[in-house]
Amino acid sequence: AQRVTQPEKLLSVFKGAPVELKCNYSYSGSPELFWYVQYSRQRLQLLLRHISRESIKGFTADLNKGETSFHLKKPFAQEEDSAMYYCALNNFGNEKLTFGTGTRLTIIP
Amino acid sequence: EAGVAQSPRYKIIEKRQSVAFWCNPISGHATLYWYQQILGQGPKLLIQFQNNGVVDDSQLPKDRFSAERLKGVDSTLKIQPAKLEDSAVYLCASSKPSGLFDTQYFGPGTRLTVL
Repeated sequence: AQRVTQPEKLLSVFKGAPVELKCNYSYSGSPELFWYVQYSRQRLQLLLRHISRESIKGFTADLNKGETSFHLKKPFAQEEDSAMYYCALNNFGNEKLTFGTGTRLTIIP
Repeated sequence: EAGVAQSPRYKIIEKRQSVAFWCNPISGHATLYWYQQILGQGPKLLIQFQNNGVVDDSQLPKDRFSAERLKGVDSTLKIQPAKLEDSAVYLCASSKPSGLFDTQYFGPGTRLTVL
């Protein structure tokens, strides 16, 4: 069975400091990984996906198949990054997403 | 482009009562999903529709939950009878299938409280 683990429920970081939100997954095939974000009073929305290899709002994430990880990183945190972040996994062949439990990121001014 | 619409936004009922949620996906999106998000957890897929057919309902508690998408556009999710553990946010999402994984766009959700 596929599973996504986000070990940190809460993470506080000072503005300007680096951010790393951890995500580990278990899956037997070839997964596709995503990060979703939910800002206060807004909808859940896609932040980035590993297949795109993009940097969105300064965030990047690299899929490490050896460590089965997909950590989200940003070199310099901004106050507007405060939000709930969910890591999610999809198995190729269908559209089903499996979400982690989420990490609430708070940026301290 | 209008986003995914859901109603009501909030609902409070007593256990054993019935409740229904409505979702209108983004125009042209053939795939529609219902998720349940219990406090402190990530969203969990309940059911996925492709047009008006069910693709996956393996995690839908079919003894009390039902969903339909009769004309391949709007969808309703019903709980009858509700239990305390059904208290959650119910999210609807939609996507347009292209053969690869497509971005799912989420609605604002319906927060259900069962007393």
